Amino acid sequence: QVQLVQSGPEMKKPGASVKVSCKASGYTFTDYYMNWVRQAPGQGLEWMGWINPNSGGTNFAQKFQGRVTMTRDTSINTVYMELSRLRSDDTAVYYCSRAMAAEYPGNFWGQGTLVTVSS
Amino acid sequence: DIQMTQSPSTLSASVGDRVTITCRASQSFNTWLAWYQQKPGKAPKLLIYDASSLESGVPSRFSGSGSGTEFTLTISSLQPDDFATYYCQQYNSYSHTFGQGTKLEMK
Repeated sequence: QVQLVQSGPEMKKPGASVKVSCKASGYTFTDYYMNWVRQAPGQGLEWMGWINPNSGGTNFAQKFQGRVTMTRDTSINTVYMELSRLRSDDTAVYYCSRAMAAEYPGNFWGQGTLVTVSS
Repeated sequence: DIQMTQSPSTLSASVGDRVTITCRASQSFNTWLAWYQQKPGKAPKLLIYDASSLESGVPSRFSGSGSGTEFTLTISSLQPDDFATYYCQQYNSYSHTFGQGTKLEMK
């Protein structure tokens, strides 16, 4: 069965970076794009971007251009999302979700990783 | 970016009711639209993709329709498990924007 297991909660100071991992199992890792979506406390969903685990190609929401990096390690079936120059409004739960097909929405989701940014 | 606007923001309904949630896009596209259900503290669950295709395992009381700039999610007969927040998401453009959400609450 498809499983996405994310890394644990993070507490960061403003200006720092955070790297969240998402380990996939139960399917061929390189066959499906991975989306990243975040949700600030009490707020709606916000799409951040996707990575193609096969090629490493990425596409980011304009809001995050220059601050987000998405990478993958095919040897351990893991994708990473790194967000730099953190601000307090980056406090959110960050989700990875496996896309149904290239550039499609996600139909399998990780459990979420809470990133708290506070001085 | 394509902006997605859902209405209503909150919807009060009773078990057995038929409910409809609308999602309007700032510019027209084909049917690259998904609907999700989210419960507190949980990851979203995909219900509908390509505007009207039911995701595997989702009850048939959920249906989606629309194209262009107006899309709807309909629940034909509300069940207790359906009280949650619903989001639309377009994936037509390079930026896959979500609507702001509709909270479906018990009347």
